[in-house]
Amino acid sequence: DAKTTQPPSMDCAEGRAANLPCNHSTISGNEYVYWYRQIHSQGPQYIIHGLKNNETNEMASLIITEDRKSSTLILPHATLRDTAVYYCIVEWGSNYKLTFGKGTLLTVNP
Amino acid sequence: DSGVTQTPKHLITATGQRVTLRCSPRSGDLSVYWYQQSLDQGLQFLIQYYNGEERAKGNILERFSAQQFPDLHSELNLSSLELGDSALYFCASSAGTGTPRDTQYFGPGTRLTVL
Repeated sequence: DAKTTQPPSMDCAEGRAANLPCNHSTISGNEYVYWYRQIHSQGPQYIIHGLKNNETNEMASLIITEDRKSSTLILPHATLRDTAVYYCIVEWGSNYKLTFGKGTLLTVNP
Repeated sequence: DSGVTQTPKHLITATGQRVTLRCSPRSGDLSVYWYQQSLDQGLQFLIQYYNGEERAKGNILERFSAQQFPDLHSELNLSSLELGDSALYFCASSAGTGTPRDTQYFGPGTRLTVL
């Protein structure tokens, strides 16, 4: 099954871009990359997902490398409310479940 | 506010007891998922229902069971509770048939404490 590797923690200054990396070197050709985040003890929140092209929505941008072995979630102007654990998830096969790893704790500092 | 509601918010009970957690999905969503989040295990998928039928199963213990009713709300039943069952239990819902490509909307969770 495809697994992901994320740094355990990152810091970012308020107003700056936050770039969160994720490695998924065993990803298969038809597997999507998903990003969710969890603000302290709240339910996780969907951010974005993509297959091979870069994606952008009102929350973030997702950059996937050409070989699809890694991706970066970009929060263009981080605010204090973006402090959360960010999970990079890769689905596998036709399985219906998402598996959350340990994620990256992003701390946005004033 | 995701539109998913869970009750109760907090539950304190004793070992050996049985509890029921309730989830109401977003209006129109047919899929319901249950997750357990403990300090040492992280967020673990338990089970998924789609329109009343079990669709996928994760690391759900035999002491736990769930069902989805005709009005689409779901209940997670936990029995013979142990100290290690203390955790946050999240419910999520999604539209469609419930593949990972369907965005999951999570509720606020139920915090279960087993003493």
